[in-house]
Amino acid sequence: QVQLKESGPGLVQPSETLSLTCTVSGFSLTSYSVSWVRQPSGKGPEWMGRMWYDGDTAYNSALKSRLSISRDTSKNQVFLKMNSLQTDDTGTYYCTRDGPGRDFDYWGQGVMVTVSS
Amino acid sequence: EIVLTQSPTTMAASPGEKVTITCRASSSVSYMHWFQQKSGTSPKPWIYDTSKLASGVPDRFSGSGSGTSYSLTISSMEAEDAATYYCLQRSSYPPTFGAGTKLELK
Repeated sequence: QVQLKESGPGLVQPSETLSLTCTVSGFSLTSYSVSWVRQPSGKGPEWMGRMWYDGDTAYNSALKSRLSISRDTSKNQVFLKMNSLQTDDTGTYYCTRDGPGRDFDYWGQGVMVTVSS
Repeated sequence: EIVLTQSPTTMAASPGEKVTITCRASSSVSYMHWFQQKSGTSPKPWIYDTSKLASGVPDRFSGSGSGTSYSLTISSMEAEDAATYYCLQRSSYPPTFGAGTKLELK
């Protein structure tokens, strides 16, 4: 069955870089796109960016200068790197599968990231 | 980007009561999508393409709307429906979510 799982550090220092991995199973990264979505506690989700099935990327312009998304199809993994973290980057980070006409149809369990010294 | 405004922000409904949640877009969108999220879990697709129920969603739920105004309706509230509901538009980049409507059981 389709599964996505995020992994990465739970605590990041201000001004440091966040690195997260999304490991997927049950589908191919060359057939489906994967998005990163984050959600501050008690607030609505925010789309951060997408790794398209063809290897192209798209970013939310609000984060584009700090964000990079890449993948390793041989390992079924998608990576997120975001630099210059601040306290308002604290929240739960999810990866999602984006199907044809059905974005965000499967979600990982999420990883809680706290930005604090 | 398109801003989605949900109302109400929070509400409580009694079992059997009809519930309507509204999502208004700052510009016209082709479709609206809805997600349900319970505490400590990931959002779940709930309604897509304005009115189509995701797999496993009870038929007491329905969605409607067009242009800049959309709604999610529960015909008869049940305890398991208590959750936060988010609307999503992906007609225009970037995809944007509403801030959520927290629905509680009265």
